[in-house]
Amino acid sequence: AQSVAQPEDQVNVAEGNPLTVKCTYSVSGNPYLFWYVQYPNRGLQFLLKYITGDNLVKGSYGFEAEFNKSQTSFHLKKPSALVSDSALYFCAVRDQRTGSQGNLIFGKGTKLSVKP
Amino acid sequence: EAQVTQNPRYLITVTGKKLTVTCSQNMNHEYMSWYRQDPGLGLRQIYYSMNVEVTDKGDVPEGYKVSRKEKRNFPLILESPSPNQTSLYFCASSLRGRGYGYTFGSGTRLTVV
Repeated sequence: AQSVAQPEDQVNVAEGNPLTVKCTYSVSGNPYLFWYVQYPNRGLQFLLKYITGDNLVKGSYGFEAEFNKSQTSFHLKKPSALVSDSALYFCAVRDQRTGSQGNLIFGKGTKLSVKP
Repeated sequence: EAQVTQNPRYLITVTGKKLTVTCSQNMNHEYMSWYRQDPGLGLRQIYYSMNVEVTDKGDVPEGYKVSRKEKRNFPLILESPSPNQTSLYFCASSLRGRGYGYTFGSGTRLTVV
């Protein structure tokens, strides 16, 4: 089955500390992985993606993600969190099933709270 | 500006009164999709379209209809809304191909009373 799991409903960090938002996936074939962020009362915004190549992917707003094939993970990271990073974060994987390649399968989301 | 435009942003309606939520994109994207977002359930796909006149069901299509008569538009139709369709709805579009991500609209918050 094709799926994405975000094991933490909420992550709390202090401003200036590093943050990690976890994501694991299950997909047949090579994974195409994405991270999106949703600020309150807004739509989802693209942060970064992994298609192929370097396992460390850099994206918008200083975020990066590390692809780990053996652990089937794609964790989102940032070296120093800002209060303005507080938002809902979604991991997604491209559906590889025949006829469904256009679809992204989303995790349930992780609420990131950064305190001053 | 490249964008996906949804209307309305907010809508309160009564049970059984047909409604349409519009979605339009200006990026010449082939693929379009509708999702609903509910607390604790994440994003669930309602319908998607790979191109004009090509639509297919997602995970939760019951109670919804869509059409794709033009490439830029992908309206979501609720023929007889019920309270369990109260939700936050998002339209998204992308180019075809596995390496492309979605561009999302700003969302429509629907309340059915």
